[in-house]
Amino acid sequence: NAGVTQTPKFRILKIGQSMTLQCTQDMNHNYMYWYRQDPGMGLKLIYYSVGAGITDKGEVPNGYNVSRSTTEDFPLRLELAAPSQTSVYFCASRVTKTQYFGPGTRLLVL
Amino acid sequence: ILNVEQSPQSLHVQEGDSTNFTCSFPSSNFYALHWYRWETAKSPEALFVMTLNGDEKKKGRISATLNTKEGYSYLYIKGSQPEDSATYLCVEGAQKLVFGQGTRLTINP
Repeated sequence: NAGVTQTPKFRILKIGQSMTLQCTQDMNHNYMYWYRQDPGMGLKLIYYSVGAGITDKGEVPNGYNVSRSTTEDFPLRLELAAPSQTSVYFCASRVTKTQYFGPGTRLLVL
Repeated sequence: ILNVEQSPQSLHVQEGDSTNFTCSFPSSNFYALHWYRWETAKSPEALFVMTLNGDEKKKGRISATLNTKEGYSYLYIKGSQPEDSATYLCVEGAQKLVFGQGTRLTINP
């Protein structure tokens, strides 16, 4: 199993550009999550999904959108990138009580 | 949103010494308490999940305890080694997890 994979690893965006952060898991987990980690801060939940077709907002959803058309994929969409979205983004999936994290995507918005 | 607090925020320990740090969380509506180990430039790695009051878990030199009635958990590291240097995250919740800010542990050789 590859576990949770994220692409790209690193990206620089200009203000106002859009992009999609990809997240895929091959463990058949129903629960998937997107977090952001800002410098010197902990992890904040952006969106989560309890299964294909079902998503819900987390703590900091503004400026992001998600979709979950399959169990495996949970992409995160930034429509109009802003400097405040400069962060490291982690995707995770969960079985029972344990979350498994992807390697992260570092995003810089200039 | 529940508040999960960890202390201290950072800690420097001599190699070979033992150490511990604290996680506090609201005791009402408790579901599960997780500890994660997070090395720089890597993703968080699950250490323990505890659900019952009085739970104690151990993994090598690292152990954790849980008190759900008073809302705290301790993480202990015995005989610290340089490879223990990491940020240790305490997390509470069920469907939506709430993360503490972490305790950054540095082991000095």
